[in-house]
Amino acid sequence: GAGVSQSPSNKVTEKGKDVELRCDPISGHTALYWYRQSLGQGLEFLIYFQGNSAPDKSGLPSDRFSAERTGGSVSTLTIQRTQQEDSAVYLCASSTTGTPFYGYTFGSGTRLTVV
Amino acid sequence: AQRVTQPEKLLSVFKGAPVELKCNYSYSGSPELFWYVQYSRQRLQLLLRHISRESIKGFTADLNKGETSFHLKKPFAQEEDSAMYYCALTGFRDGAQKLVFGQGTRLTINP
Repeated sequence: GAGVSQSPSNKVTEKGKDVELRCDPISGHTALYWYRQSLGQGLEFLIYFQGNSAPDKSGLPSDRFSAERTGGSVSTLTIQRTQQEDSAVYLCASSTTGTPFYGYTFGSGTRLTVV
Repeated sequence: AQRVTQPEKLLSVFKGAPVELKCNYSYSGSPELFWYVQYSRQRLQLLLRHISRESIKGFTADLNKGETSFHLKKPFAQEEDSAMYYCALTGFRDGAQKLVFGQGTRLTINP
C-alpha cells in the first residue's frame, strides 16, 4: 500500500482480555517494527522482523506479548490478559534494509485503553 | 549499549526566536542519527537524517562525534513548528536498522 496501515485505530478493552493489533506495511518493505508510545516514556522498542530472519523480540515487556508476521507482510501484535499498564499507543513501522538506510515509515498507531 | 538522551521534555520559545532541541547519544560504533517529528493528530514522520546533510523546514542538525551530540536547530521558529520531536539512532555495526529513540521534546512556539 501507499503507507503503513494499522487497525484498529482505537481499542478499549477490559482488564484480563486478549487483544490483537494489526499492521500492514508498505509493499516491498522487508523490515517491520513494533514500538509502544507512552506519556513520558518516549518510544519503546518491542519487536522487529526482517525478511526470513528470526525476529528480534528483545523489547517485549513480558510473555503476555507476542507478534507474528505472516508471508513477510502483515503483522499482528497480540497482548494476552491485558493489564492497565498496557494502555499506550502501539506504533508499527516498516523500512527497506541495507544501506543507505532511509529510516522508518510509521503507521498512525493503535491507541489501546485497558479499563 | 545504545542510548539517546533528550534532556528537555518541554521547550517553549517565542515565534521568530532561535530554537535548539538537544540530543546526546551513547554508541561505540558509527551511528546514524535521525530526527522524527509528530505534529498534533498526525503520525510520526521523518524530519531529517544526518547523512543527508539537508535542511528540512528550516531545521538543520549537525553530528558532533566529539560531543556525541546531534542537536536540532532552527534560526527563526514558526508557530507551525509546535510538535513533539524525537531523536533516534541506529548502528551500522549491528547489521540491522533498529532505531533507538530518545524520550522526546515537546516544542511549543508562542505567538
